[in-house]
Amino acid sequence: GQQLNQSPQSMFIQEGEDVSMNCTSSSIFNTWLWYKQDPGEGPVLLIALYKAGELTSNGRLTAQFGITRKDSFLNISASIPSDVGIYFCAGTTGTASKLTFGTGTRLQVTL
Amino acid sequence: KAGVTQTPRYLIKTRGQQVTLSCSPISGHRSVSWYQQTPGQGLQFLFEYFSETQRNKGNFPGRFSGRQFSNSRSEMNVSTLELGDSALYLCASSTDGQATNEKLFFGSGTQLSVL
Repeated sequence: GQQLNQSPQSMFIQEGEDVSMNCTSSSIFNTWLWYKQDPGEGPVLLIALYKAGELTSNGRLTAQFGITRKDSFLNISASIPSDVGIYFCAGTTGTASKLTFGTGTRLQVTL
Repeated sequence: KAGVTQTPRYLIKTRGQQVTLSCSPISGHRSVSWYQQTPGQGLQFLFEYFSETQRNKGNFPGRFSGRQFSNSRSEMNVSTLELGDSALYLCASSTDGQATNEKLFFGSGTQLSVL
């Protein structure tokens, strides 16, 4: 099935550092979403983006919907240990229920 | 409000058997979607149900099926299990799954192991 290209695949950072990850697609999406998944749990929605160029924040997280509608990025500022997990981008070209997911970025935070 | 509830959390089956997984959506949500998550393929859309009808379908064989009840609870069934069906099966619900600004909420999943 189709997947979005997400990078980097994994990151090892120190507590307090900023993190940036992005997602690209060959197709245009009309919604971009960012999820975080902890081991053994389902993805939890972090940020939803609905318009090209939109920049949205959720606490230390900031995400943007690319103006070409083919990419999105997520920034995490001042990382803390509980930021550890796998971050997924997801997009939809149609209904909200049928998402295409990125390959995930595994984030590890060291003290 | 209770979240999306999936049962069971873990299942072990052998090849050739069939399995049924259950999902209770968030109260008031009428759209239920199912996703398969594997290390190799990531998260893949299986199908979506709304008002007891399958409304969208992903690219999975006919061995994968589902249904939705009048209370919006959903079940998915996998028949003639294969080793490659081992995966985390995630259920997600939303209000009606159609509006592009809707949010999809996931359950904790059912981890299926096929031996």
